[in-house]
Amino acid sequence: SQTIHQWPATLVQPVGSPLSLECTVEGTSNPNLYWYRQAAGRGLQLLFYSVGIGQISSEVPQNLSASRPQDRQFILSSKKLLLSDSGFYLCAWSSSGGPGRSGANVLTFGAGSRLTVL
Amino acid sequence: RKEVEQDPGPFNVPEGATVAFNCTYSNSASQSFFWYRQDCRKEPKLLMSVYSSGNEDGRFTAQLNRASQYISLLIRDSKLSDSATYLCVGRSGGFKTIFGAGTRLFVKA
Repeated sequence: SQTIHQWPATLVQPVGSPLSLECTVEGTSNPNLYWYRQAAGRGLQLLFYSVGIGQISSEVPQNLSASRPQDRQFILSSKKLLLSDSGFYLCAWSSSGGPGRSGANVLTFGAGSRLTVL
Repeated sequence: RKEVEQDPGPFNVPEGATVAFNCTYSNSASQSFFWYRQDCRKEPKLLMSVYSSGNEDGRFTAQLNRASQYISLLIRDSKLSDSATYLCVGRSGGFKTIFGAGTRLFVKA
């Protein structure tokens, strides 16, 4: 079965410090990978998605970046964190291909990384 | 206008009650719809997909009305464990999945 791992689970970082969140998926190949952010009491905002190694699409302008060095690894980074970067970061995967009635392309989320920038 | 809109609630209902949530979407190109459940400080988890013909999973029934661009979720015989935030999700062609901000449900003993 497929599993998704995300770490660290929580972190507290000072403004201006770098960030690296990592996500890996097991039990599948060539997944679509996503990074979402959820601010306190808010909905999920899609930050990046990737359909393959080295292929990253950004949904919103920001000081964050994403990379996909391996098929099942997705990394979220920042060189200098802002206070507004605080939030709950969620990695997700779906099987490759477009949406379908079967539900095979639903998103499955990791447990999340809760970031507090002070 | 947000692409997916939900009443944030909270809905406070007694155990055993029937509760319904509605969600509207603005992108007529949206093809797939889902309901996710999110517990406090946890990740969202898929509750059920929503099909045009309507579908049921135990105490949960989902409906899609494409003409009016809304999705509904009905929970019958509410349990304490149903207390959570329910997220309405729409997905258009490609990889853009839009989440509503969620509707909070509290089921009381």
